[in-house]
Amino acid sequence: DGGITQSPKYLFRKEGQNVTLSCEQNLNHDAMYWYRQDPGQGLRLIYYSQIVNDFQKGDIAEGYSVSREKKESFPLTVTSAQKNPTAFYLCASSMGLAGGRYEQYFGPGTRLTVT
Amino acid sequence: KQEVTQIPAALSVPEGENLVLNCSFTDSAIYNLQWFRQDPGKGLTSLLLIQSSQREQTSGRLNASLDKSSGRSTLYIAASQPGDSATYLCAVTGSYIPTFGRGTSLIVHP
Repeated sequence: DGGITQSPKYLFRKEGQNVTLSCEQNLNHDAMYWYRQDPGQGLRLIYYSQIVNDFQKGDIAEGYSVSREKKESFPLTVTSAQKNPTAFYLCASSMGLAGGRYEQYFGPGTRLTVT
Repeated sequence: KQEVTQIPAALSVPEGENLVLNCSFTDSAIYNLQWFRQDPGKGLTSLLLIQSSQREQTSGRLNASLDKSSGRSTLYIAASQPGDSATYLCAVTGSYIPTFGRGTSLIVHP
């Protein structure tokens, strides 16, 4: 089955620790995205990548970092500099950015709790 | 900057009703509009994608329309069922990156 996997489903960390969220896709998509979702809010874009070894900041990139060393993988690191990291994190992919001609597909999400 | 609004924020209907969810956007220069469904604690599932050149898309009991000039889209759900209970989000793509609304939370009770 083709799709997007995110792990783990739930993640708990102490304040001050960095944590990395995994996102893998086997859809052969070029573009990948990371979003953050807070209760009652729309999705907010953290980072996106159009192609391997390239990525761009979204609206709320501060305190986050990403890498895109492989087409199928786009891990997100939440650093200790992120002031309010507790949230639901969603990874998505699409065939390309290409002016938005392509449908976005989402993973199941990771719920991060930092105490 | 693009802003996307979804009305109503919440909706509760009895099973069998036909219903309409609304999505409005401020910048009509879009490439596409996508409707998603999200169950509690889950990721988003794509329902329909409407390209800017299209007026509507249909999938089963779902029909989505797009009026770019007025900055509006509607998602029509026919003969609603309890299994339709979820949050429905619309996303508008202008320059490569989608902008999401906050969603409409739908409950269909038996």
